[in-house]
Amino acid sequence: GAVVSQHPSWVICKSGTSVKIECRSLDFQATTMFWYRQFPKQSLMLMATSNEGSKATYEQGVEKDKFLINHASLTLSTLTVTSAHPEDSSFYICSARASGRRVSGELFFGEGSRLTVL
Amino acid sequence: QQQVKQSPQSLIVQKGGISIINCAYENTAFDYFPWYQQFPGKGPALLIAIRPDVSEKKEGRFTISFNKSAKQFSLHIMDSQPGDSATYFCAARGAGANNLFFGTGTRLTVIP
Repeated sequence: GAVVSQHPSWVICKSGTSVKIECRSLDFQATTMFWYRQFPKQSLMLMATSNEGSKATYEQGVEKDKFLINHASLTLSTLTVTSAHPEDSSFYICSARASGRRVSGELFFGEGSRLTVL
Repeated sequence: QQQVKQSPQSLIVQKGGISIINCAYENTAFDYFPWYQQFPGKGPALLIAIRPDVSEKKEGRFTISFNKSAKQFSLHIMDSQPGDSATYFCAARGAGANNLFFGTGTRLTVIP
């Protein structure tokens, strides 16, 4: 299947700092990528939809100034958690919807990034 | 409001047994129903998916049964193995839509 790479896989930072997480589609183009947040033993909660070359669409309750999303190319989206606080500690997962012929329409997920804010 | 309801929350099955996880939805606009498998500390991986024009899809030991009139679908894992122990999520997506709505997850444990 298609591969989505997420980096870093885990990060520990001090409160007040900003953290950037990258999501790359390695073998397909993705005009749309999604960012999810997952708390322990819970389901995935969609945070925002990232569209290449345009502004992200945020779900209700998600602060767009805190969770900055950039989708600069067809294979890369980034999530920046600005001025992180302990309550932002979570597992962040990206996914990409393949727009190529081979696996068109399917959603593929990255391995996730565990953020711990001290 | 939970768009996709999933049960049970946890499931323990003996090795070689059948694991069954059920999901239900309300939105008749949904036209794509995938199942994802997630191991601890990893992202979800697509396991199998079905569209409502078929009632069953089988891939190896994994089978999706789909009941359009009841708006229910289920995952059956035949000959369950300890390596199948993971959390399983059902999901649904509307036609032409981007977003997936996830169920709450089922933690499956297969005991040897």
